[in-house]
This record gives sequence, C-alpha cells and structure tokens, in this order.
Amino acid sequence: EVVLVQSGGGLVQPGMSLRLACEASGSGFSVTRTHMNWVRQAPGKGLECISVINAGGNAYRAEFLGARFTFSRDSAKNTLYLQINNLRADDTAVYYCATGHMDVWGGGTTVTVSS
Amino acid sequence: DVVLTQSPLSLPVTLGQPASISCRSGQSLAHSDGNTYLFWFHQRPGQSPRRLIYRVSNRDSGVPDRFSGSGSGTDFTLEISSVEADDVGVYYCMQASHWPQTFGLGTRLEIK
Repeated sequence: EVVLVQSGGGLVQPGMSLRLACEASGSGFSVTRTHMNWVRQAPGKGLECISVINAGGNAYRAEFLGARFTFSRDSAKNTLYLQINNLRADDTAVYYCATGHMDVWGGGTTVTVSS
Repeated sequence: DVVLTQSPLSLPVTLGQPASISCRSGQSLAHSDGNTYLFWFHQRPGQSPRRLIYRVSNRDSGVPDRFSGSGSGTDFTLEISSVEADDVGVYYCMQASHWPQTFGLGTRLEIK
C-alpha cells in the first residue's frame, strides 16, 4: 500500500517562504517512476490542480502560478517538494500531493499566510 | 482550460434513495490513446479527497458497488443507487485528458 506523508505547512507572514514535502512509502513505490500531482484547496473552495511532475522530472505548472512556486523531488528520499516564495494571503490553502491519476492522496498540509 | 460543469451543486437526498450527479465538459474528454480520463472523487469535511471512479466507469478498490459512473465524450454521470449516511460530503469530477487537469466545482450531498 502506498502512503504519502506531508509536512512543512504552517502559519507564516506575508513575504516569507515555505517548503512543503510529500514523502512516499510502501510497495516499492517511487516518485521518480510515475507522475505526481500537487492540488490545493483554498478555505471553503474546491480543488485546483497546480502541478504535475512527470516520471522524467519535468514539472508542468498551472499558468496562474507565478515563478514563486517551484517543484522538485529527491529520489533518495522518495520525496516531492513544493517551494513557495514571497507568500501572499491568497496562497492560504490546504496543499495536497497525490499519485498518478490521484488514486492515493496525502493528508494535506495547511498553509496560512497572515500578518 | 477545460471547464467541467457539475449539477446540481447541492443535492439533498433521503436515506435509501438514489442520487445522480452530472458532469459536463466544455470539450470531448476522449484522449488520442483511446482512453477517457474522467474521474470522480468524494471529500468529507476535514479529510483528503478519495477517488471513487477512474476512467469514467471503473470503481476503485473498496468502493461500494452502489456507486457507478457512466458517460462518454462530454457528458458524464455519477450515480449512487441507495444513499447511505456515510455518503455525505462533496463530490468532484476531474478530467486528465487535457492539460491542465481540471476539477468541477463540486456537488454537496446532504441527507434530508
């Protein structure tokens, strides 16, 4: 069974940075052998796919994201990362990672941007 | 971006009665590889979404058989044959036939 454990969220002030992590484990699963997704959900809103990282490591990002969002992965740690710089209030959301066609989801990590 | 229009947005249902949610796409979701990448998810308050249906009509492991998906092209439906209390929450359709992947706005199912 594949499990995704997320970490790195929190309450931060505008302008600060955060790095969110999504560690995969189980059943010989590797984040480098399939595509992975980042999905976010603003408070009281629906789901929004913000990135897909394919097996080759190429990250396709939603057009509305600026350069403040960067996506990466570490094969040795079997972990995905989402770095958000210069955080703004409208980045406030729960950020989820999910496998392939979203059959497995992480527990989500909450990012709250407020002064 | 492909727009997915779900209806209704709110769905009050009596326990034991059937329920149906529509998901209409702004363009065909038939992919050039022959598949149609239309999925259904269920999200309870405070929880991560859970995938119920993949590629239009295939139930995920552990999903009760009262859930079924159907459709083709631009028109898709999720049906619950007999609603149980555990089915409350928000249901989303999602397409992955075109980048970017997009979700419908969600349908909130509640018990009358």
